[in-house]
Amino acid sequence: DSGVTQTPKHLITATGQRVTLRCSPRSGDLSVYWYQQSLDQGLQFLIQYYNGEERAKGNILERFSAQQFPDLHSELNLSSLELGDSALYFCASSTDGANYGYTFGSGTRLTVV
Amino acid sequence: GQNIDQPTEMTATEGAIVQINCTYQTSGFNGLFWYQQHAGEAPTFLSYNVLDGLEEKGRFSSFLSRSKGYSYLLLKELQMKDSASYLCAVRIYNTDKLIFGTGTRLQVFP
Repeated sequence: DSGVTQTPKHLITATGQRVTLRCSPRSGDLSVYWYQQSLDQGLQFLIQYYNGEERAKGNILERFSAQQFPDLHSELNLSSLELGDSALYFCASSTDGANYGYTFGSGTRLTVV
Repeated sequence: GQNIDQPTEMTATEGAIVQINCTYQTSGFNGLFWYQQHAGEAPTFLSYNVLDGLEEKGRFSSFLSRSKGYSYLLLKELQMKDSASYLCAVRIYNTDKLIFGTGTRLQVFP
């Protein structure tokens, strides 16, 4: 157990629907990151939150949004889902400047049908 | 822009040594990380370099040359369980953002 908790582990939904992915960071970590990993693709950075505030944004679609709550858990909302959104979505957390980089959660596998 | 290149696939034999290269061009370098990822699982941290030179950790070593924008991960005494993808990632200065390469899929054969 890495200490980063993601739910649900699997999600199957239809095109056009909306889903919410949840992440609880490791105890003490203030930063949360969201990544998307499509089949045979690298990890694509979506967005970073630090202590409740958005800190960095990557290639995140307008249909996607995220937030970090006062208890530091984060949610990634995906709407108007398309087949191409099917992917593994990873959440990671870190302590600023840590020499071990991020600690990743086990991911949510999203399948859009 | 940010660009990180790694070979897509490599194969090796159990007990052998393999070197996985990574070249990068990023704005604001603040450390290079190697992660291991088994299919469908979360990446796990292997090594970190911020200064030039070699960092050794058991069977795994990682090297960095900042002037050349180059790193490699060296895996010795390969085992079947080392079959996985190996991801090179650069931390961008003044943020904690990690930019990942597409990964190198290593297959170890008996």
